[in-house]
Amino acid sequence: KAGVTQTPRYLIKTRGQQVTLSCSPISGHRSVSWYQQTPGQGLQFLFEYFSETQRNKGNFPGRFSGRQFSNSRSEMNVSTLELGDSALYLCASSLDPGNQETQYFGPGTRLLVL
Amino acid sequence: GDSVTQMEGPVTLSEEAFLTINCTYTATGYPSLFWYVQYPGEGLQLLLKATKADDKGSNKGFEATYRKETTSFHLEKGSVQVSDSAVYFCALSDGNQGGKLIFGQGTELSVKP
Repeated sequence: KAGVTQTPRYLIKTRGQQVTLSCSPISGHRSVSWYQQTPGQGLQFLFEYFSETQRNKGNFPGRFSGRQFSNSRSEMNVSTLELGDSALYLCASSLDPGNQETQYFGPGTRLLVL
Repeated sequence: GDSVTQMEGPVTLSEEAFLTINCTYTATGYPSLFWYVQYPGEGLQLLLKATKADDKGSNKGFEATYRKETTSFHLEKGSVQVSDSAVYFCALSDGNQGGKLIFGQGTELSVKP
């Protein structure tokens, strides 16, 4: 079974631009979560989607948004990019939401903002 | 709020040495606990998990026991290999917040031949 896939793997943008990242979950998984990883802040939760609905949101500004489609694929968007948005963005999928479910991570999208 | 604290790294060991990476947590509910591993340039891989007190998770020679009385989930391996060199993350998932994972800061392990 294919794992979680994320596209693109690498991205370079300039300040003020916007970016859209894509995540395809493992087949049959209905819950998708996004995390930001930086050297300074570590791994931080962005949001969680299930059945096309955002169930949970982390402490990030409104510039960070996401959505989930009917096939469970998810996208996240960052508008008006800032230098501090440079990070590895990780997507994770699980069968269902819930604290006992294992989340499986993709390889990440590395975003560099210049 | 909920939090996870890991021992700071980097940790450097010789091959076949015993490994312990300490992890303690603070949570209001009854969390599930996880260890993930990240190899250079890759995403996170689940190493093991435990969903209730006194559960022991194990995989690839790694073990961790969910200790509610000490709020700990320490990772151990009896004999490390060079291939175990990676960053290890302890995480919790509180049932009150769906599947949201809260991670520790990560511990870098380097194993020398």
